[in-house]
Amino acid sequence: AQRVTQPEKLLSVFKGAPVELKCNYSYSGSPELFWYVQYSRQRLQLLLRHISRESIKGFTADLNKGETSFHLKKPFAQEEDSAMYYCALILYNQGGKLIFGQGTELSVKP
Amino acid sequence: DVKVTQSSRYLVKRTGEKVFLECVQDMDHENMFWYRQDPGLGLRLIYFSYDVKMKEKGDIPEGYSVSREKKERFSLILESASTNQTSMYLCASSLPAGKETQYFGPGTRLLVL
Repeated sequence: AQRVTQPEKLLSVFKGAPVELKCNYSYSGSPELFWYVQYSRQRLQLLLRHISRESIKGFTADLNKGETSFHLKKPFAQEEDSAMYYCALILYNQGGKLIFGQGTELSVKP
Repeated sequence: DVKVTQSSRYLVKRTGEKVFLECVQDMDHENMFWYRQDPGLGLRLIYFSYDVKMKEKGDIPEGYSVSREKKERFSLILESASTNQTSMYLCASSLPAGKETQYFGPGTRLLVL
């Protein structure tokens, strides 16, 4: 069955420290994965998708098919990165449904 | 700029009431989705629709129904609200087959007393 797992409910780091938000997936086909972010009192929005291979707001994520992971990384966290982060897997054979992980709340302390 | 709007930001209803949550998108998207968002559970898909008058059950459809009479509007209906349906409800829309990202509405926080 398709599944996305984010093992950390809360991640707390100090400003300037590196950040890694973990995401593991279970999918029999060729996966396409996304990271979504929800800042306080804002709507959920796309942060990045693995096929774009781009860095957004200093964040990157690499798909590791061997480890079935898509961890989100940033070398130096900023206070404005504090938000809820969701990893998601798209199911093209089911109309573009997204399977979301449980979410990780990132708190960046000054 | 894609706009997905939801009829209410906050809603308080009593157990047993029929509740309508409305979602409108202005980008002519074929696909529309309803999720509920709960702490520790992430977003769970309730129903989705890939065309007018079409609907598909998501992962947690029990206690809910939907209506899509027009392309731009997707309604979520709680036939008889229960306290365990207290949650944040998010609507989203996208082009077919996920050719681009899903765009989300601001959410409706529903409290069932």
